[in-house]
Amino acid sequence: QQQVKQSPQSLIVQKGGISIINCAYENTAFDYFPWYQQFPGKGPALLIAIRPDVSEKKEGRFTISFNKSAKQFSLHIMDSQPGDSATYFCAASRGGYQKVTFGTGTKLQVIP
Amino acid sequence: DAGVIQSPRHEVTEMGQEVTLRCKPISGHDYLFWYRQTMMRGLELLIYFNNNVPIDDSGMPEDRFSAKMPNASFSTLKIQPSEPRDSAVYFCASRRGGRNTGELFFGEGSRLTVL
Repeated sequence: QQQVKQSPQSLIVQKGGISIINCAYENTAFDYFPWYQQFPGKGPALLIAIRPDVSEKKEGRFTISFNKSAKQFSLHIMDSQPGDSATYFCAASRGGYQKVTFGTGTKLQVIP
Repeated sequence: DAGVIQSPRHEVTEMGQEVTLRCKPISGHDYLFWYRQTMMRGLELLIYFNNNVPIDDSGMPEDRFSAKMPNASFSTLKIQPSEPRDSAVYFCASRRGGRNTGELFFGEGSRLTVL
């Protein structure tokens, strides 16, 4: 019940295209859904996050879409750039608990 | 401000040797987490501390693993004896106290190779 399932495992997108990564969760007690970006040789870093009372959040080229009834959320990267090539993790957390549950990661490669 | 600092960045050792990984969290952060990252299992939480006290070590794979936090600015993760299957990248992360918003600040990791 604590799992967060993420897909796809890897993704290749042409420069300028849209990258879409999907996640699903079971535990309805989760109340915060962050996305992390990890470059090779670095630690994950918070990219963008959403609460379940919001259906969409946009920051620059990055958008989170949230479907509470389906218990799914997704990251869209518009106008994908080679510099976006990284591994992306979705995650979920509960306010009263200290753990953050991570998805398995999606390795994104944006080709010129 | 300095981020989370981990050392060593790379460690190559032979099976059976003791390995000690070190972490300095961000000043003022009350929570410290140790994660392990592998291709097969992704990011796994090993243990976390609150105000230097271990709260949940249920993710520690076995007795060969131990972690300590003697003060607010230092933590260690020790593996003794090490085995090839322990090869992974070990991350330390920290965050402030208060409601869990899912935001963690990660170090750059310690890549461990056990031969």
